[in-house]
Amino acid sequence: SQTIHQWPATLVQPVGSPLSLECTVEGTSNPNLYWYRQAAGRGLQLLFYSVGIGQISSEVPQNLSASRPQDRQFILSSKKLLLSDSGFYLCAWSLRRNRAGQPQHFGDGTRLSIL
Amino acid sequence: QQQVKQSPQSLIVQKGGISIINCAYENTAFDYFPWYQQFPGKGPALLIAIRPDVSEKKEGRFTISFNKSAKQFSLHIMDSQPGDSATYFCAAVNAGGTSYGKLTFGQGTILTVHP
Repeated sequence: SQTIHQWPATLVQPVGSPLSLECTVEGTSNPNLYWYRQAAGRGLQLLFYSVGIGQISSEVPQNLSASRPQDRQFILSSKKLLLSDSGFYLCAWSLRRNRAGQPQHFGDGTRLSIL
Repeated sequence: QQQVKQSPQSLIVQKGGISIINCAYENTAFDYFPWYQQFPGKGPALLIAIRPDVSEKKEGRFTISFNKSAKQFSLHIMDSQPGDSATYFCAAVNAGGTSYGKLTFGQGTILTVHP
């Protein structure tokens, strides 16, 4: 069966520090991968998605970037964190079948607090 | 046109009652409609999903009703239990074109089931 792992579960970082959040998927190949941010326990905002290694699409302009160095690895990064980057970050995957909608499956997220 | 509107924002139900959450969409290209359940500090988990070629899908106490002509769908939770207390999100996917299976989420409904 497929599993998705995110780490760390919680992170406290000072303003201006760098960020690296990692997500890996097991049990499937060539997944679509997604990064979301959720504020105040509501409203998921899609940040990035990827359909293959090195292929990243950004949904909203921001202080963050994403990379996909391996098929089942998705990384969310920042060079200098802002207070507004605080939130709950979720990684998700789905099967890549463009002919029919597929569900996305989420990790348990990283709670990021910027001080 | 990409929005999915979800109501109510919050819902309080007595144990054993029926919880009903409604969603409406505009984009007729959506072809897959999942519902997610999210507990505090966890990622959303797929609960049940429906495609527009059926009007109803039932899994245990959870039922999706789908009205294609009205572009509306709803989640019914029968015999609601305190353990159902969570945030529920409806979503829609357009599998075609260049959307790459991206989910469009509703705003979420916080369900509280009183014992």
